[in-house]
Amino acid sequence: QVQLVQSGAEVKKPGASVKVSCKTSGYTFTTYYIHWVRQAPGQGLEWMGIFNPNGGRQSYAPNFQGRVTMTRDTSTTTVYMELSSLRSEDTAMYYCARGSVTGTRDGLDVWGQGTTVTVSS
Amino acid sequence: EIVMTQSPATLSVSPGERATLSCRASQSVDGNLAWYQQKPGQAPRLLIYGASTRATGIPARFSGSGSGTDFTLTISSLQSEDFAVYYCQQYNKWPLYTFGQGTKLEIK
Repeated sequence: QVQLVQSGAEVKKPGASVKVSCKTSGYTFTTYYIHWVRQAPGQGLEWMGIFNPNGGRQSYAPNFQGRVTMTRDTSTTTVYMELSSLRSEDTAMYYCARGSVTGTRDGLDVWGQGTTVTVSS
Repeated sequence: EIVMTQSPATLSVSPGERATLSCRASQSVDGNLAWYQQKPGQAPRLLIYGASTRATGIPARFSGSGSGTDFTLTISSLQSEDFAVYYCQQYNKWPLYTFGQGTKLEIK
């Protein structure tokens, strides 16, 4: 079955970077977009960006431009999200989610289990 | 940037009754809208895409309607497992997606 499995919880100091992985399985890796969404404690969902595993093109939400980078490893069908210059407000649960077939647009139908990132001095 | 506004912030409904949740876009998103359900400690789950198409495995009591700027998610007869937070999301201004702030559906 289609699965997205994320890496474990992280604790980082302000100013550091964090890299979260999202291992995909059960479908053709290059066929679907991968999105990243975060959720601060007690807050709503915030869309961060979209990654196309077929070619590596990315687009980011304005709030994250310049601080987020999404990459892939096709040999392990894994997508990565790196967030730099961390501050306390980046403390959140980070989710990867599968989007639509590349070239189309649609909702996010499969989600990872989430990765908790805590930023604290 | 398209802003999605959901109302009400909290909705109290009794089991077995109908729930109606609203989502409004700051500009037209055509029919490019999805709804998600999120329960405490869980990842969101896709309920509706294309404004009105139920995702795989979603019960028929969930229905979506609307186009342009005004959308509705209706749950026809609330079950205990339906009490959760619901989010709308637009994907018309591709590749930029935007979520609403959520509506908490609680037991009355």
